[in-house]
Amino acid sequence: DAGITQSPRHKVTETGTPVTLRCHQTENHRYMYWYRQDPGHGLRLIHYSYGVKDTDKGEVSDGYSVSRSKTEDFLLTLESATSSQTSVYFCAISEGGGPHYEQYFGPGTRLTVT
Amino acid sequence: GQQVMQIPQYQHVQEGEDFTTYCNSSTTLSNIQWYKQRPGGHPVFLIQLVKSGEVKKQKRLTFQFGEAKKNSSLHITATQTTDVGTYFCAGPGAGGTSYGKLTFGQGTILTVHP
Repeated sequence: DAGITQSPRHKVTETGTPVTLRCHQTENHRYMYWYRQDPGHGLRLIHYSYGVKDTDKGEVSDGYSVSRSKTEDFLLTLESATSSQTSVYFCAISEGGGPHYEQYFGPGTRLTVT
Repeated sequence: GQQVMQIPQYQHVQEGEDFTTYCNSSTTLSNIQWYKQRPGGHPVFLIQLVKSGEVKKQKRLTFQFGEAKKNSSLHITATQTTDVGTYFCAGPGAGGTSYGKLTFGQGTILTVHP
């Protein structure tokens, strides 16, 4: 498995609180992605990064922000958590930015918003 | 935006039966990737198809890319309990093919009864 860790692995939080999820990689890959996984929806891209301080929105970015101050870390923040953000969050990395590069996924974070 | 539709959503088979999942896109895909996610795990890259009409095999798994590069399939011969999990197809993300973005199908959840 690629060197990707996510923290925390599980979190329960209350509606309205801010939450930050961390993705850490040891592969020195330039490209990093945050997905959420919900039943019936597969994996949906929230935000992605193509370098330090270079980030952009994915298809379901509302209510989320990201930061990447170091190559190895990609943070996902829920500014004010809502119940609709209860999900499993996966971070992924890729060696290259073309369509033919496979992605390597972290173990996931299960987030419950009560 | 680009969508990749995957069917069926669920498939229950008896051990030893065959299994097929299908992926369809309304637009031509430059390539398609397949991932497997074991229950409680994270998606893991299986294979990539690039050429029109391409067929690739991995032991009991056969992957096909349609002639028009708009559809793909994964066929498992004589399923085993180790095949259980969710199978995803993924095509290049919307907004161009830069940054390695992927658009995932909804996934097919395979259960195998011994």
